[in-house]
Order: sequence, then structure tokens, then C-alpha cells
Amino acid sequence: DIQMTQSPPSLSASLGETVSIECRASEDIYSNLAWYQQKSGKSPQLLIYYASSLQDGVPSRFSGSGSGTQYSLKISGMQPEDEGVYYCLQGSKYPPTFGGGTKLELK
Amino acid sequence: QVQLKESGPVLVQASETLSLTCTVSGFSLTNYGVIWVRQPPGKGLEWMGIIWRNGNTDYNSALKSRLSINRDTSKSQVFLKMNSLQTDDTAIYYCTRDYYSSYGYYFDYWGQGVMVTVSS
Repeated sequence: DIQMTQSPPSLSASLGETVSIECRASEDIYSNLAWYQQKSGKSPQLLIYYASSLQDGVPSRFSGSGSGTQYSLKISGMQPEDEGVYYCLQGSKYPPTFGGGTKLELK
Repeated sequence: QVQLKESGPVLVQASETLSLTCTVSGFSLTNYGVIWVRQPPGKGLEWMGIIWRNGNTDYNSALKSRLSINRDTSKSQVFLKMNSLQTDDTAIYYCTRDYYSSYGYYFDYWGQGVMVTVSS
């Protein structure tokens, strides 16, 4: 199975700060990577697919980049509603595997 | 619109069998796969298995001996059964829809989840 290593496990950001979360795959996943946001008590919501494509309705301050084995999610201007846990998911090879999650809090 | 909703018992005794139902609307089970994902309290997401649009199934190798996923397309329902439950099977269980295109493979819509507690 492809291993997804996500970092950092947690971070705290100030209002308006730019935040980056990384995901590293154990092998090339050819941009087949999605990012999810999970708010407390809610199910995960799709933010980004195919590494950099923004899901409909997701604010433009969210962006994704990367290729090969290295991917990142950037939030340009932290907002209170961005608090939650973020997960990456690789869909390149079955079984799909998630990163361990990054807990993002407002400082 | 696309919706998925999980239902089933919230408390199960250890060694017994968990039965959950995912009822979908807004799409056909013959056009999309449905995946089960679970999340132990305070922990990350674990892919459990999928029933593909053609009815075939794949399971997490760690759960394969205990897990089965079936469906009733006429009722738009997907069923999860997992036997020999232990306390570490306590988790929120989600069903989610798969999406495959030239822009990759991912899960686009999720149910609200059902919290299942396994009691010893």
C-alpha cells in the first residue's frame, strides 16, 4: 500500500496568516491527490482534487500544488472557519490511503 | 442532490456483528462506487472497503476476514457487515461516493456518519 506522510501533525495560525500543509507519498502518485477538511463533529469535505483543482464552492484562498511524491495545501489568509483537521488522500493505486491529518487552530 | 445517510445500531456488544446501511439518493449505485470509511474517536480516517458500480468488492486487508459489503440497487442501499467486533472497532462509520475521471480518483460526497460503540 502507498503510505501518505502528512506534516505537521498540528499547527496554529493567526488571522490572515498563510498556512501550508504537506503530504508526501511513498511512491509517485501522479497528482492523484485530494485534500479534505473536517470540522469538529462533521464529516470530511472535499477541498481539492487532482492535486490542484478546486472543488466547486470552496473559497479561492485554498490552493493545492505538487507532483510526484510531494504535495501541499495552502490557505492564503487564515479565517476562523478554517479551523479543523485536514487530510490528504491518494487515489493513484488501490487501496486509497489517507494521510494522518493536520489539526489547524486559530491562534 | 447527492446524499448519503448511514443508519444502524449505535451500541454493539463485543464479539457480535455490526450491520450498517448506507441509503443514497441523487445518483445510481450502478454508476458510482460506495466506500465505507471509519474514524476512531480522536483519530484519523481508515478506508474499509468498496462496492464498485459493477457490484464487485474490495476490502482493507486488515479487515477482509471480518467484513462484507453488499447492496440492493432497487432500494439504493449499501450494506456493511463486520463480525467479531472488538472495542477498538468503536468509531464513526461513514459511507462516501467515489468519483473517477481523468482528474483522478477521490471521494466526493460523504454521509454524516454514525457513531458505533462496541461494549465489552
